[in-house]
Amino acid sequence: QKEVEQDPGPLSVPEGAIVSLNCTYSNSAFQYFMWYRQYSRKGPELLMYTYSSGNKEDGRFTAQVDKSSKYISLFIRDSQPSDSATYLCATTPPSGTYKYIFGTGTRLKVLA
Amino acid sequence: DSGVTQTPKHLITATGQRVTLRCSPRSGDLSVYWYQQSLDQGLQFLIQYYNGEERAKGNILERFSAQQFPDLHSELNLSSLELGDSALYFCASSVWPSGLDFRSTDTQYFGPGTRLTVL
Repeated sequence: QKEVEQDPGPLSVPEGAIVSLNCTYSNSAFQYFMWYRQYSRKGPELLMYTYSSGNKEDGRFTAQVDKSSKYISLFIRDSQPSDSATYLCATTPPSGTYKYIFGTGTRLKVLA
Repeated sequence: DSGVTQTPKHLITATGQRVTLRCSPRSGDLSVYWYQQSLDQGLQFLIQYYNGEERAKGNILERFSAQQFPDLHSELNLSSLELGDSALYFCASSVWPSGLDFRSTDTQYFGPGTRLTVL
């Protein structure tokens, strides 16, 4: 079992739709969670990071963590064609290690 | 533009060869990370350096090595290349080494990547 799992997609939605992107993780000791956006042929860029269970909002983006079910989500409101990209979730392992663990990414297409 | 630079952008080489990928971190960042991204494996952490010293190793093959120089740029050396080494190689940098207690200064900023094709 992979430590972080994501549905690879592609997920196609019409412009203006609410998008839900999800990850599950295996280790309840994981503490911090991040969402990165990666456009084609570019490096990943950080969108948001969260620590505790609950919601964190930044503009059209909301990150949600449910530690009881080991589930993290990214919601995109009023999706735009410019949101078309691959979205990667990542987490930091327990104290004492320094590597990020990434999901394989979900490819999102927002259709105009 | 993240401020992290990587050269070259593309590299095409043959099996058995050796290549060097170069990364310059953002100004002020002391920590450098190398990742490999392939279609089937996603983004895999290879190795991390902080201020010239190795801090963490991931799934890095023995044929691969890296170092961080006094000016903080880093090089990833890939030798005895195999077809399966074809991938995107990303460098990322952060102010501090990510870990223990995550802070905004731990945020990793990624470069544009080097696309390696082994024929």
